[in-house]
Amino acid sequence: QVQLVESGGGVVQPGRSLRLSCATSGFNFRPYALHWVRQAPNKGLEWVAMIWSDGITKFYADSVKGRFTVARDNSKSTLSLQMNNLRAEDTAMYYCTRDPHGSGWAFDFWGQGALVTVSS
Amino acid sequence: QSVLTQPPSASGTPGQGVTISCSGGSSNIGTYTVNWYQHIPGTAPKLLIYLDNLRPSGVPDRISGSKSGTSASLAISGLHSEDEADYYCSSWDDSLNAVLFGGGTRLTVL
Repeated sequence: QVQLVESGGGVVQPGRSLRLSCATSGFNFRPYALHWVRQAPNKGLEWVAMIWSDGITKFYADSVKGRFTVARDNSKSTLSLQMNNLRAEDTAMYYCTRDPHGSGWAFDFWGQGALVTVSS
Repeated sequence: QSVLTQPPSASGTPGQGVTISCSGGSSNIGTYTVNWYQHIPGTAPKLLIYLDNLRPSGVPDRISGSKSGTSASLAISGLHSEDEADYYCSSWDDSLNAVLFGGGTRLTVL
C-alpha cells in the first residue's frame, strides 16, 4: 500500500537548521510531483513547497522562499526539505504528500507528519 | 488572512445537510480547479474532492463539490457524527505560483 513516512523533526533554536525526510513506498515514485504542507499550532493548513517529477522545477511559499530547499532522490524514492534560518513561526507539523499528474494539485496520500518546534 | 476565504465554522444535526463555501479570485479558482480536504486533528488530511467535483475511491456520494466562477462549494448531506472535522479548499494560484489553502471551516455535528 502507499506509504509516506516523515522523519527528522525535533526541537531547534531560532536561526538554526533542520532537514526533514520523507520515505515513500508502495507506488511508482518518479512520475509524481511531491509537496510539503504544514500546520502551525491552532492554525490551518499551509502549503510550503513543491518539486516536480523532473526534480528541477520547484516552487515555494513566500514565507519560506530563500530559507527552505526541497529535493528528491528518485533512486531512493525519498523527498527532503532542508530548512535553514528557522524562525519561531516555522513551528508546525510538516506533512509530505504526493500529487498525481493531471489531478489539479490534489494531494491524494499524506504522511502522518513530523513535528518541528523552533524555540530557544 | 487566506486568499481563499472560507467561513470559520459550520454546523448541522445528524441527518441534515451542510454546505461550505470557498471564495477566491481570477488567478486561482477562476482559472484552476478546486480540491477539498477533511482534517481531523492528530491525523493526516484526507482528500475528499478533486478537479472541482470528483470523488476519490472510498469517499461516499453524500459528499459533493461544485464550482461557479471564482467560488466553490463542498456539500455534505446526511451528516454523521464522524463528519465533525476541519474542511479546507485548495487551488493553484498563478500570480503567486503557489498552492493555496483556504483558512479552513470547522464543522460541528450537534
